[in-house]
Amino acid sequence: KNQVEQSPQSLIILEGKNCTLQCNYTVSPFSNLRWYKQDTGRGPVSLTIMTFSENTKSNGRYTATLDADTKQSSLHITASQLSDSASYICVVSVNTGGFKTIFGAGTRLFVKA
Amino acid sequence: DADVTQTPRNRITKTGKRIMLECSQTKGHDRMYWYRQDPGLGLRLIYYSFDVKDINKGEISDGYSVSRQAQAKFSLSLESAIPNQTALYFCATSDSRLARTGELFFGEGSRLTVL
Repeated sequence: KNQVEQSPQSLIILEGKNCTLQCNYTVSPFSNLRWYKQDTGRGPVSLTIMTFSENTKSNGRYTATLDADTKQSSLHITASQLSDSASYICVVSVNTGGFKTIFGAGTRLFVKA
Repeated sequence: DADVTQTPRNRITKTGKRIMLECSQTKGHDRMYWYRQDPGLGLRLIYYSFDVKDINKGEISDGYSVSRQAQAKFSLSLESAIPNQTALYFCATSDSRLARTGELFFGEGSRLTVL
């Protein structure tokens, strides 16, 4: 069964600290993996996309990694800011020729001053 | 103005009522989707449309129907709302020319409460 699991469910960190969010998937055949950021009361917005051959990709203070062998991805946030408080959603697309995208439940990050 | 606009943003209704959520987009994308978000669960696909004459069921289509009135408009209807349809609903779009990347562009969401 195609599944995407994220951990932790929620996380509280102090402003300026780093954190890492995890995503494990059992999706086959794999097409790509995206991390989305969802601010409270808003729709998700894409942060990064990773394909099978990529293992690191950065977008400012956000760095995503992918290990296609172990089917794990992580999102590392450096020097967190209050505006990083949001839900982070891992989304895996299946390469079936049609459309199939599996969403994780998200990690809720709270950054405190 | 937002590229993907949903109306209404908030709606409270009663069991048995018919409800329509509307979505319009200015991105020029051909593909449109309706998702439902519940606490602790990932977004789940209700219906999707790859073109004006194309309608496809998602994983949780029971109790819902959709209409693709034009390339830019995609509406979701609840014919007879029930309390477990209380959720946050998102419309999304994507460009078939970029299908391999799979990026979805979401609206701001419509919060529906069924009493």
